[in-house]
Amino acid sequence: AIRITQSPSSLSASTGDRVTITCRASQGISSYLAWYQQKPGKAPKLLIYAASTLQSGVPSRFSGSGSGTDFTLTISCLQSEDFATYYCQQYYSYRGTFGQGTKVEIK
Amino acid sequence: QITLKESGPTLVKPTQTLTLTCTFSGFSLSTSGVGVGWIRQPPGKALEWLALIYWDDDKRYSPSLKSRLTITKDTSKNQVVLTMTNMDPVDTATYYCAHSDSTVGAFDIWGQGTMVTVSS
Repeated sequence: AIRITQSPSSLSASTGDRVTITCRASQGISSYLAWYQQKPGKAPKLLIYAASTLQSGVPSRFSGSGSGTDFTLTISCLQSEDFATYYCQQYYSYRGTFGQGTKVEIK
Repeated sequence: QITLKESGPTLVKPTQTLTLTCTFSGFSLSTSGVGVGWIRQPPGKALEWLALIYWDDDKRYSPSLKSRLTITKDTSKNQVVLTMTNMDPVDTATYYCAHSDSTVGAFDIWGQGTMVTVSS
């Protein structure tokens, strides 16, 4: 099974900061990686798929990059509504796998 | 507009079988490339991928839970059913169903989730 290692598990940042979250796959997954945002008590929301394609309606301050085993989610200018937990997910293999999540907190 | 909603018991006893239903609208599970998946999240923990069924009845399961899971679809009712046998307190979680298609690949639309507690 493909394992996904997401880091960091949490980070503190201020509004306006640039934030980077990474995911590493245990084997190559091409660009079959998605990023989700989850707020407390809510279902996850798809932000990015195919590693770098922004889902419709998602602000352009979110971007994704990478292919193969190493991937990055970047929030270019953190807004108050971006404080949440972020998950990556690979969908390359026969069965999907999620990362452990990164909680973005207010500094 | 695509919507999904999970339904089922909120409380099950250890060793019992859990049956959850995902009722959806705005798409057909007979359309090529479309799938519906199940994902769970224990309180305060990460998301866990459970199972996925495609329009052509292709079924995929988490390797660690494969022996306990069954996913089926009823295209005429716009429903997907997940059963999980031999429930244990560690299976206490919010269970989500979500839509997928070949254009996006990932889960682009999610249900609101349903909390299931396993306790005697």
